[in-house]
Amino acid sequence: ETGVTQSPTHLIKTRGQQVTLRCSSQSGHNTVSWYQQALGQGPQFIFQYYREEENGRGNFPPRFSGLQFPNYSSELNVNALELDDSALYLCASSLFGGGPGDTQYFGPGTRLTVL
Amino acid sequence: QKEVEQNSGPLSVPEGAIASLNCTYSDRVSQSFFWYRQYSGKSPELIMSIYSNGDKEDGRFTAQLNKASQYVSLLIRDSQPSDSATYLCAVNEGTSYDKVIFGPGTSLSVIP
Repeated sequence: ETGVTQSPTHLIKTRGQQVTLRCSSQSGHNTVSWYQQALGQGPQFIFQYYREEENGRGNFPPRFSGLQFPNYSSELNVNALELDDSALYLCASSLFGGGPGDTQYFGPGTRLTVL
Repeated sequence: QKEVEQNSGPLSVPEGAIASLNCTYSDRVSQSFFWYRQYSGKSPELIMSIYSNGDKEDGRFTAQLNKASQYVSLLIRDSQPSDSATYLCAVNEGTSYDKVIFGPGTSLSVIP
């Protein structure tokens, strides 16, 4: 158990809808990163939040957006869902600025299915 | 485009054998390297982290890092059926310690 929680665990949406995924970081961590993992692939970096600001973004369109709250929990929002958005969405928390080797700890993930 | 590559699987080894998993990365300034294990349908679980050239051992697991060759490996000694999983190599992006790039993973199957 990493102490990182995500909700919901599973979600089914239809194309064009919007979805919000939630993540609570491990106690003491100030950074949350979001990843998309399609079946059979490694996690792909979506973006990272540090102290409520976006701290880097991967190659994802603007319809993927996020928030981080003062308690360091975070949301991932996806608008205008497409079939290819079906994936496991992973949240990872870490302590930024802890020095080389800051380790990311993953939550259990949210399985999103877009029909 | 910074990349992390892993040896293609699936990799099958008999129980009790040594499993060798390999990873190469393109970003020469990367400083932190991680191995995660992921069981089917579950999230990645950290096994090892390594930051300096050489070997790092933790129980049955040994990580090896060669920054000059941009190569990192994971050896699993006395492989057990419970080690059957996908192993993900992850490398931090340059000097940004918290942004990591994952490889595609190598599926390992340990045959009883």
